[in-house]
Amino acid sequence: NAGVTQTPKFQVLKTGQSMTLQCAQDMNHNSMYWYRQDPGMGLRLIYYSASEGTTDKGEVPNGYNVSRLNKREFSLRLESAAPSQTSVYFCASIAGASTGELFFGEGSRLTVL
Amino acid sequence: TQLLEQSPQFLSIQEGENLTVYCNSSSVFSSLQWYRQEPGEGPVLLVTVVTGGEVKKLKRLTFQFGDARKDSSLHITAAQPGDTGLYLCGFGGTYKYIFGTGTRLKVLA
Repeated sequence: NAGVTQTPKFQVLKTGQSMTLQCAQDMNHNSMYWYRQDPGMGLRLIYYSASEGTTDKGEVPNGYNVSRLNKREFSLRLESAAPSQTSVYFCASIAGASTGELFFGEGSRLTVL
Repeated sequence: TQLLEQSPQFLSIQEGENLTVYCNSSSVFSSLQWYRQEPGEGPVLLVTVVTGGEVKKLKRLTFQFGDARKDSSLHITAAQPGDTGLYLCGFGGTYKYIFGTGTRLKVLA
């Protein structure tokens, strides 16, 4: 099983450029999440989607937008990238209410010059 | 916003030593998860604790949930180099799943 798939795995942008990180899960999970992880740090929640059709801000939403395209897919968009957004981005999903196990993608390493 | 604080932030020990890492909050958890993350990978779930005072064991790892469900600890007995990684506690209330600040463990052979 693929689980949670993120694309691209690596990306280099110049300041001001835009890009979209794609995430898809094949586990029929209801809730999906986007996190960022800076070097040596924990995970900080950017946005989440409790179910198809809903999205909510997390701890660090500024500079990002998201779209829950359908139950499988949850994308993260950077409209005007900044060096402070250089990070590793993780997508995750969970079956139901947030008391269970999160399944993570392999991460997308983004560098903004 | 519920804040999860973990301590210590970094820990470097010799193989065979014991260690404990902590996860604390000012709020009460309905449940709490512990994850381990290895370099270049996403976190993987180790355990979920639900009941105040609960103790769960996973081989050499012992997880404890505080009686008041505001804190948790992870104790590793006789650490091995394979235990090296980032240990994260996490909590999901009403779908908003957040993680602690993390403890980065390095076990030296």
